[in-house]
Amino acid sequence: QSVLTQPPSVSGAPGQRVTISCTGSTSNIGAGFDVHWYQQLPGTVPKILIFDNNNRPSGVPDRFSASKSGTSASLAISGLQAEDEADYYCQSFDNSLNGWVFGGGTKLTVL
Amino acid sequence: EVQMLESGGGLVQPGGSLRLSCAGSGFRFNTYGMTWVRQAPGKGLEWISAISGSGYTTYYADSVKGRFTISRDNSKNTLYLQMNNLRAEDTAVYYCAKMTKSGSSSHFDYWGQGTLVTVSS
Repeated sequence: QSVLTQPPSVSGAPGQRVTISCTGSTSNIGAGFDVHWYQQLPGTVPKILIFDNNNRPSGVPDRFSASKSGTSASLAISGLQAEDEADYYCQSFDNSLNGWVFGGGTKLTVL
Repeated sequence: EVQMLESGGGLVQPGGSLRLSCAGSGFRFNTYGMTWVRQAPGKGLEWISAISGSGYTTYYADSVKGRFTISRDNSKNTLYLQMNNLRAEDTAVYYCAKMTKSGSSSHFDYWGQGTLVTVSS
C-alpha cells in the first residue's frame, strides 16, 4: 500500500486527453514538498517526465503537463499517442517517514 | 554523458547477504546525493535508501532499515548498498539513481539499468 495513491489504470483513444491523479497527505504533498512524475515504458528504466510539480525536462513534449493542489497532484497527457503507453509514477518526500515516496503507479493504455 | 552502472546482483538464500555497487560517471559524483530504488517483478517502484554527496547523511525506508546500509566512496565515484538478512520480499531489480539536489525537494534524473537480486532457497 503506497503512501501516494494513484489509480491502477487509465485508458484513452489516440488524440484524447487523460489525467492521472496522485493523492497524498499533510506529511508529503500537503506539506509543500514537490511532486515529480516518471514514465516507465515497457521493459525500460524509469525516466523523469515532470519535475518540481510542473516542469518538463528538455525533450519531453508539451503534451505532458502537471499540477499540484493541496494534498494532491495530477498529470495530464493530451493528444494521446500509442508511444505514450507506459506506467506512470508520482514521487514526493514524506516528512513523517523522513524519506522519498512513490505512488503505486498507473498503467496507461492507448486504445 | 551521465551514466550509472550497477553490479553485484544475483541469487542469494534467505538470510544471506549481498553488496551492490553503482559506478557513476559524467558528473561531479561527490556533489550529488545518490539513491537506490527497487522494483519487484511486476510491481511498482519503491524508494529504499539515499545518501548525501558527502556521505554524512543517510536515509532508509522502514522496509530495509536495520538490514541495508548505503555508503559511497567518492574517490572511486561509486555508490554501495550492503544488504544483510535478505528476505524473499527483497527480490527485485535494484536501480541506483542520481539525485538532482540536496534535501527533500530532489528528484532522480539519471538511472542505471538495474541489477536483479533474487532471494530464494
